[in-house]
Amino acid sequence: GDSVTQMEGPVTLSEEAFLTINCTYTATGYPSLFWYVQYPGEGLQLLLKATKADDKGSNKGFEATYRKETTSFHLEKGSVQVSDSAVYFCALTPYTGTASKLTFGTGTRLQVTL
Amino acid sequence: DVKVTQSSRYLVKRTGEKVFLECVQDMDHENMFWYRQDPGLGLRLIYFSYDVKMKEKGDIPEGYSVSREKKERFSLILESASTNQTSMYLCASSLLGTASYEQYFGPGTRLTVT
Repeated sequence: GDSVTQMEGPVTLSEEAFLTINCTYTATGYPSLFWYVQYPGEGLQLLLKATKADDKGSNKGFEATYRKETTSFHLEKGSVQVSDSAVYFCALTPYTGTASKLTFGTGTRLQVTL
Repeated sequence: DVKVTQSSRYLVKRTGEKVFLECVQDMDHENMFWYRQDPGLGLRLIYFSYDVKMKEKGDIPEGYSVSREKKERFSLILESASTNQTSMYLCASSLLGTASYEQYFGPGTRLTVT
């Protein structure tokens, strides 16, 4: 079945450091890929998406590129802020159909300090 | 803004009790989902619904049931709560069709079964 593997957390960085959170996937066909973020005490919200190979999703300074050859969708940000502290989930859906079921990774907690 | 609300943020129940978790969305979304979130396991889909009175099992439906009598409301029912159902429960909703991959989440209900 479909699966998503994320790097283990927590990841602790100083403010303005470069961030990479690794995500690889296993899926048949051509899935769409997503990063969701969960801020403390809140539900998940969509951060960015890519629906086909070589697409780059971007939002709020975060970027991720859909790499079919390496089945990866790594999340990057050039300069993190304390407000980026959250749990980040990589996810995929095999198709955008009637009720697209998302398969999530286990989440990576990011802690940014001053 | 899409709002997904859940009836309780925290709930404590005893083993064997019948538990109802309620979810309401205000954006006329067709799809609704129930997940549980556990450390190291990420989010796992329990049930979803793509229309009133329609339901489909997710990856871990055992011990749960659902009800969708109105479009805006999706209830998760634990018929006889057990300690292994202690978890964070997240409700989500999405549109039908090509935009259905973007799910909007509620803040979650942390359920403790003693």
